[in-house]
Amino acid sequence: GDSVTQMEGPVTLSEEAFLTINCTYTATGYPSLFWYVQYPGEGLQLLLKATKADDKGSNKGFEATYRKETTSFHLEKGSVQVSDSAVYFCALSDLTGGFKTIFGAGTRLFVKA
Amino acid sequence: GAGVSQSPSNKVTEKGKDVELRCDPISGHTALYWYRQSLGQGLEFLIYFQGNSAPDKSGLPSDRFSAERTGGSVSTLTIQRTQQEDSAVYLCASSSAPGGVTGNIQYFGAGTRLSVL
Repeated sequence: GDSVTQMEGPVTLSEEAFLTINCTYTATGYPSLFWYVQYPGEGLQLLLKATKADDKGSNKGFEATYRKETTSFHLEKGSVQVSDSAVYFCALSDLTGGFKTIFGAGTRLFVKA
Repeated sequence: GAGVSQSPSNKVTEKGKDVELRCDPISGHTALYWYRQSLGQGLEFLIYFQGNSAPDKSGLPSDRFSAERTGGSVSTLTIQRTQQEDSAVYLCASSSAPGGVTGNIQYFGAGTRLSVL
């Protein structure tokens, strides 16, 4: 079945460092891909998405490119801030997978001032 | 409402008791999802509603778990005879698009933290 694998955390960075959180997926169809973020004490919220190969999703300085050839959707940000400290979830939604969205295990990011 | 609302935010119960968790989705959202998030784990899908019907219940872990939705709005997740392994954060999400639609975005509540002693 469909699955999402993302790098284990926690990831600890200093402010203004470059961030990469790796995400790879397996899917039988042509999924839409998402990154959700969960700030402390809050629910998950959509960060960005891409619905077809080579699409780039971007928001709040974060970006991720849908790479079908490598089945990847890595999250990147050029300069992180303390306020980016959160848990990041990679997810996919696949029509052939039914109604559910499949989430990765989440990667916790700590950014130090 | 402005967002997805879940209640209670925290619930402590004794093993063997029944609990009810409530979710108020965003007004007008026809799709509603329940997930479970255990410590250090990702989101585990439990059940999906489209309107008042549940076309996908495949994630419910046992027959102690049930859910219903009334009026196409509020949903209740019930756990009977709770066990310690039921301790987790239960998340609800709603969406304006049916499940499986390309690019379907889900809006999450803050969750209910359930602790079974």
